[in-house]
Amino acid sequence: DAGVTQSPTHLIKTRGQQVTLRCSPKSGHDTVSWYQQALGQGPQFIFQYYEEEERQRGNFPDRFSGHQFPNYSSELNVNALLLGDSALYLCASSFRQGWAEAFFGQGTRLTVV
Amino acid sequence: DAKTTQPPSMDCAEGRAANLPCNHSTISGNEYVYWYRQIHSQGPQYIIHGLKNNETNEMASLIITEDRKSSTLILPHATLRDTAVYYCIVERSGGGADGLTFGKGTHLIIQP
Repeated sequence: DAGVTQSPTHLIKTRGQQVTLRCSPKSGHDTVSWYQQALGQGPQFIFQYYEEEERQRGNFPDRFSGHQFPNYSSELNVNALLLGDSALYLCASSFRQGWAEAFFGQGTRLTVV
Repeated sequence: DAKTTQPPSMDCAEGRAANLPCNHSTISGNEYVYWYRQIHSQGPQYIIHGLKNNETNEMASLIITEDRKSSTLILPHATLRDTAVYYCIVERSGGGADGLTFGKGTHLIIQP
């Protein structure tokens, strides 16, 4: 079992550009959540996808959007990148929106210059 | 805001038990206590969770006080690989789209 897979592992973008990050959940999981982790801080919840719909959103602007595909994989899109969007983006998968034994990926390190 | 309070850092000698405290005085009746840890440059890893009874698994034990206002995560025989940031999180379980609310956690350093 490959667990949660995220791609790419590292990414450098220019301010104003758009970026797409990808996540494949652990086998048997149907729920994907995305988190942003700034340096020295705990992860901050962005949003959750379940049954191909956004179910809940944290305190993030509409520049952050996502999608979940029928195979449960997910994408996170960020438009009009700001320097402050530089962070580690984490994907977590779970079953039926539960948090017991949620699995996190290794993350995508995004640097905006 | 995080609903928990943890010490920012702790040291423990290798081979000894590491006891990590967490205060959650405003916990609701339907909220569980979860513990995750994050080793440097990796994603968070689930450790254990509980409602009101003490819990044990292959990684750790969780002791929750009778009033549920605090808990302690116990790593029985700490190794150098247990050096990580440990997060105590209070959330509902088994459904709901609320994300986990991470605070700053406790940086546990295992000394050789």
